[in-house]
Order: sequence, then structure tokens, then C-alpha cells
Amino acid sequence: GAGVSQSPSNKVTEKGKDVELRCDPISGHTALYWYRQRLGQGLEFLIYFQGNSAPDKSGLPSDRFSAERTGESVSTLTIQRTQQEDSAVYLCASSLARRGSSTDTQYFGPGTRLTVL
Amino acid sequence: AQKVTQAQTEISVVEKEDVTLDCVYETRDTTYYLFWYKQPPSGELVFLIRRNSFDEQNEISGRYSWNFQKSTSSFNFTITASQVVDSAVYFCALRFTTSGTYKYIFGTGTRLKVLA
Repeated sequence: GAGVSQSPSNKVTEKGKDVELRCDPISGHTALYWYRQRLGQGLEFLIYFQGNSAPDKSGLPSDRFSAERTGESVSTLTIQRTQQEDSAVYLCASSLARRGSSTDTQYFGPGTRLTVL
Repeated sequence: AQKVTQAQTEISVVEKEDVTLDCVYETRDTTYYLFWYKQPPSGELVFLIRRNSFDEQNEISGRYSWNFQKSTSSFNFTITASQVVDSAVYFCALRFTTSGTYKYIFGTGTRLKVLA
């Protein structure tokens, strides 16, 4: 497909378990973002990957959250020892942006709805 | 500080009415971008428009129009002759650069309900 894909679409887990969320960006997009959206709220930035540069992790809420990206392709967001407050929709977006580029538009995936019981 | 404010939490209109969604932003940057996204009930965010800080021309796309005014730091979005399919949450976002990386800040969104 041409868009950003995410898997799974829904994940229900028990408190204390680890979860891994996957994002496949649009082919050729060098930038990849993860956001969290709690029910009825706006988007909260988590982490940003740009090519081979060190990721911007400034939005990760705790050390239980980590993310990796292989080159300019798939990214995984891992939440360890999940808590109930981690319940949210996790959105991934990708864009063509390169450092120094003057334009950048993010295209979003459908999200993964995480429910921690 | 960098900030995006969407003061309208929820708006309800009757079909065919015009509606304006407000967005006010704060930034220290002279070069920045503003965006609007639509999030329908299906959940996937849909890009609507990007505007850079040097282009204050208003834009019209079908029933959608955007009014960018740097003097008031606003980037408002108007839907003319609203339709039920316009029902969604609309987010305004600001992109700025910090330490050589791009950052996005989203507003909290405005939920638009268009009633038949």
C-alpha cells in the first residue's frame, strides 16, 4: 500500500507486560514520528527519527518507553512493564523531510489502540 | 514558548451552515509551518493543508478555506456549507525547528458535529 501502516490495530494487555508496536512508513520517507493520543485528547509527541541521525527522544514519558528504527524503514515502539495510564492510541507518521529541507508534511498511520487492563 | 491553542472544544452546526475553527499559535521562530489535520471517526489523521510563515495568502480548496494572519498569530479554518461527512476532530499543528530537528506541536483539537 501507499500509506503508513501500523500493527497491530488493537492490543489488549495486562498491566506489567511488555508490548511492541510496529510502524511501516511510506517508502522513501526519511522522517518518522511516534505520537500518543489519549482518549479525547490531542497528540503528544514521543520520538522522532530522521535518517541515520540520533533520534529525538525528548517526548518519551519514561524509561519504560523505547523505540528503534532500522535505517529508513520499519520502526518499533516498545513499552515495558505497561501501566494503565499507557492506554491510548499510538500514532506513527512519516514524511519526506531531510535536514535543511524547507517543506515537510506528515502522513499518519491508522494507529494502534493499546488497552492496558 | 511554542504553543498551539484551539479554544473551541466542540462545535455543533446544522448541515449547510458555515463554520470556522480557530487556531492561535505562539512561536519564537521566524520560519515555521502551520498545518490542519482532520481525524474522522475512523481515527486516521488526514492532512488538509500546510502553510509556511512567509505566505499569508489565504487559500481556498472547494468548501474549505484558511485564513492565516501573522498579526494575530492565527490560522483559522472555515468550512462552507458544511456536510455530515465533515464531522470529525480537527487539529491545528505548528512545526518549528529546535537544535536542528523538526518539532511538531498539536492543538487539543476541535470536535465538529454536523447535524443533518
